[in-house]
Amino acid sequence: QSALTQTASVSGSPGQSITISCTGTSSDVGGYNFVSWYQQHPGKAPKLMIYEVSNRPSGVSDRFSGSKSGNTATLTISGLQAEDEADYYCSSYTDSSTLLFGTGTKVTVL
Amino acid sequence: QITLKESGPTLVKPTETLTLTCTFSGFSLSTSGVGVGWIRQPPEKALEWLAIIYWNNDKPYRPSLSSRLTITKDTSKNQVVLTMTNMDPVDTATYYCARKRYPAYYFDYWGQGTLVTVSS
Repeated sequence: QSALTQTASVSGSPGQSITISCTGTSSDVGGYNFVSWYQQHPGKAPKLMIYEVSNRPSGVSDRFSGSKSGNTATLTISGLQAEDEADYYCSSYTDSSTLLFGTGTKVTVL
Repeated sequence: QITLKESGPTLVKPTETLTLTCTFSGFSLSTSGVGVGWIRQPPEKALEWLAIIYWNNDKPYRPSLSSRLTITKDTSKNQVVLTMTNMDPVDTATYYCARKRYPAYYFDYWGQGTLVTVSS
């Protein structure tokens, strides 16, 4: 069971927008609208940021948005802020009735 | 307020069995649709889903580790226990428990994690 593929690192200046991609297959990302995104600061537990492709849990900033096209899901962070610097992981349900995480993306705020 | 907390040994020897306990509050595993899962993260590496147990005792496991994993629940104690047999140094990781609801496919509340090192 391979991990979903994410860009290793993305950087941007404060106020800019960045996108993080998560590529899978038709057996996971492409086959279901069950993609979620997690933010993880160093030494901390992951935090749910987006669920079911584009939904934000209560309390998550609307600067975070999600979308999907084919086998690739995307997390967009607009108005980048210093506190957004963290690792981000995508996750998807699979047709094996399991969950798969992505390889992770390190976001750096310049 | 929903909280989860992992507990267990910080150091295990190769070939030993690891037993981790997740103690939670703010929800019940006897409530329809509720589940608790385990996820691990080797140092400087990605997250890896291990297992989930649901209110109805359904227990999906990560296929590559299914022969080594057992997940159980004690509803009266609000606890979920994960055992992993035949531990190896590559199993060194921070182990997290987290809440999941069915038929959703995401973890909405996470514990702080516990680092388990496998070394002789």
